[in-house]
Amino acid sequence: AQRVTQPEKLLSVFKGAPVELKCNYSYSGSPELFWYVQYSRQRLQLLLRHISRESIKGFTADLNKGETSFHLKKPFAQEEDSAMYYCALMGYGGATNKLIFGTGTLLAVQP
Amino acid sequence: DTEVTQTPKHLVMGMTNKKSLKCEQHMGHRAMYWYKQKAKKPPELMFVYSYEKLSINESVPSRFSPECPNSSLLNLHLHALQPEDSALYLCASSLSIAGGSEKLFFGSGTQLSVL
Repeated sequence: AQRVTQPEKLLSVFKGAPVELKCNYSYSGSPELFWYVQYSRQRLQLLLRHISRESIKGFTADLNKGETSFHLKKPFAQEEDSAMYYCALMGYGGATNKLIFGTGTLLAVQP
Repeated sequence: DTEVTQTPKHLVMGMTNKKSLKCEQHMGHRAMYWYKQKAKKPPELMFVYSYEKLSINESVPSRFSPECPNSSLLNLHLHALQPEDSALYLCASSLSIAGGSEKLFFGSGTQLSVL
């Protein structure tokens, strides 16, 4: 069964501090993993995906298959990073893929 | 146009009412999705349409009836809902459902309250 676990409901840090949002997954095949973000009063949007190996808004995430993790990191948090972050897994079911979300972590960056 | 548009933004309905939620995109995407999101919970997949055909139904009660009249439109028809169906209903689209790393574009949602 495919499952995404985000152990922290809330992560509060000060501006300029490093941030790590944890995500662990369970999937029998080779998953595609994503981070989606929802800023206050804005729609849910893609932040980054593991296959792109990109840095978006200073955030990076590395897929660790040995630890089945896809943690989101940023070296210096900014107040505008405050949002709800969802880790998501795309699982394959025949010809149809399903995007499954974790429970989300609310990041609060204090001034 | 790179947006998914949902109407209405808010909807209040009684348990005997019939209403419809609408979703529209003009990005040429051939996969469209309905998600349900309760407060402080992650989005939960309800339905997936691929090339206007229902591809996934996540055991959703029949009081929710999806419809995809063409490649740009997705409707969700509501009838005899229960108060526990109150939630934010999100529509999303992607280029297709096959292949990996498909980016989903989400609408801003319809906040539904069932009285």
